[in-house]
Amino acid sequence: DTAVSQTPKYLVTQMGNDKSIKCEQNLGHDTMYWYKQDSKKFLKIMFSYNNKELIINETVPNRFSPKSPDKAHLNLHINSLELGDSAVYFCASSPSEGNEKLFFGSGTQLSVL
Amino acid sequence: GDSVTQMEGPVTLSEEAFLTINCTYTATGYPSLFWYVQYPGEGLQLLLKATKADDKGSNKGFEATYRKETTSFHLEKGSVQVSDSAVYFCALGGSNAGKSTFGDGTTLTVKP
Repeated sequence: DTAVSQTPKYLVTQMGNDKSIKCEQNLGHDTMYWYKQDSKKFLKIMFSYNNKELIINETVPNRFSPKSPDKAHLNLHINSLELGDSAVYFCASSPSEGNEKLFFGSGTQLSVL
Repeated sequence: GDSVTQMEGPVTLSEEAFLTINCTYTATGYPSLFWYVQYPGEGLQLLLKATKADDKGSNKGFEATYRKETTSFHLEKGSVQVSDSAVYFCALGGSNAGKSTFGDGTTLTVKP
């Protein structure tokens, strides 16, 4: 069983489209995250939710909207996609918000043409 | 705020060479320290961790010691293999509302 699973693995789309990425964790963790990794492998946090409540919202364009229907799921919806949104997006979870290790999904490679 | 400075890459070594990837940090409080590894096409996975000063984390032949006096957590391995080729990230635990701080990553390539 995959601990943190995200779909799709690859997403190729045109500029201006709207797309969603889904994430689910079966670890019973309270906290989930979205990270963006650029082509140089730099990793940047975007959002964090604890028990369905938003706790971290970094400087991310409001075209990006996370949604957490329950603590096992954290989805990412992106409106009006731009070329600069091309990256790998990682979902992660941890037992709680705090000083603990993160469990990452395998990533969604988004390519905006 | 918290920050992590990691040795710049890429690093290329021959098989069985000694590896050191430097990592220093600035932090308020007493965060846990982590090394994550990312193999090609995969997500990050925990390699090792240390939760307090002088702790040594170890896994798969890799080691790192939490040095509070030098604010460092350098990653070492005595003899690297081709299969160790990956990107390595040093990170501070998220003591501030769960926000972990990652270094920029160091790409390691090991040649046979």
